[in-house]
Amino acid sequence: NFMLTQPHSVSESPGKTVTISCTRSSGSIASNYVQWYQQRPGSSPTTVIYEDNQRPSGVPDRFSGSIDSSSNSASLTISGLKTEDEADYYCQSYDSSNHGVFGGGTKLTVL
Amino acid sequence: QVQLQESGPGLVKPSETLSLTCAVSGYSIGSDYYWGWIRQPPGKGLEWIGSIYHSGSTYYNPSLKSRVTISVDTSKSQFSLKLSSVTAADTAVYYCAWLRRFYHVDLWGKGTTVIVSS
Repeated sequence: NFMLTQPHSVSESPGKTVTISCTRSSGSIASNYVQWYQQRPGSSPTTVIYEDNQRPSGVPDRFSGSIDSSSNSASLTISGLKTEDEADYYCQSYDSSNHGVFGGGTKLTVL
Repeated sequence: QVQLQESGPGLVKPSETLSLTCAVSGYSIGSDYYWGWIRQPPGKGLEWIGSIYHSGSTYYNPSLKSRVTISVDTSKSQFSLKLSSVTAADTAVYYCAWLRRFYHVDLWGKGTTVIVSS
């Protein structure tokens, strides 16, 4: 099986752009879709990106996702940061047995 | 729209079986899609437990497979999680989930806290 590794925390100022990485330990990152979930304190997670780079309706276009095969990683980029973006972010993919694998999560601080 | 609501005991004794139910409204659970369970220990990240297709096929996390059973009851429009031989490490918030595709959680329940303690 594989693991997804995320930075423990990132911080950036309002209005700036931040990128959160998610590195797959084995196997190609491009072989299975990657999703990104946002979890605000005390709340259930919600999807901000699915299928590598698709945004659900209602998610602002400040959120974007990408895949980089050279680094075997996925990235979530948030531009025009707002204080409301402060949350934990989790990447997720799946293995050959069709069960999900989550990254450890990244705490985004907007200061 | 689809709505999910978890229910079950908030306290389970070590070595016993944890049983949770997720009531589904706004959609006929037997028609299509996947239904799953995910948990989050206090202060930690998310862990995928498993999912079930509307037809009954199940997909479990290998690390929990020997202890997990997920089932669907279409007559009651609900699906369930059973986790046997629990220990303190199974203390977590348990979320039920709706997945239109097996790899992506479209909707999460509000979550229910289960504490394993004697």
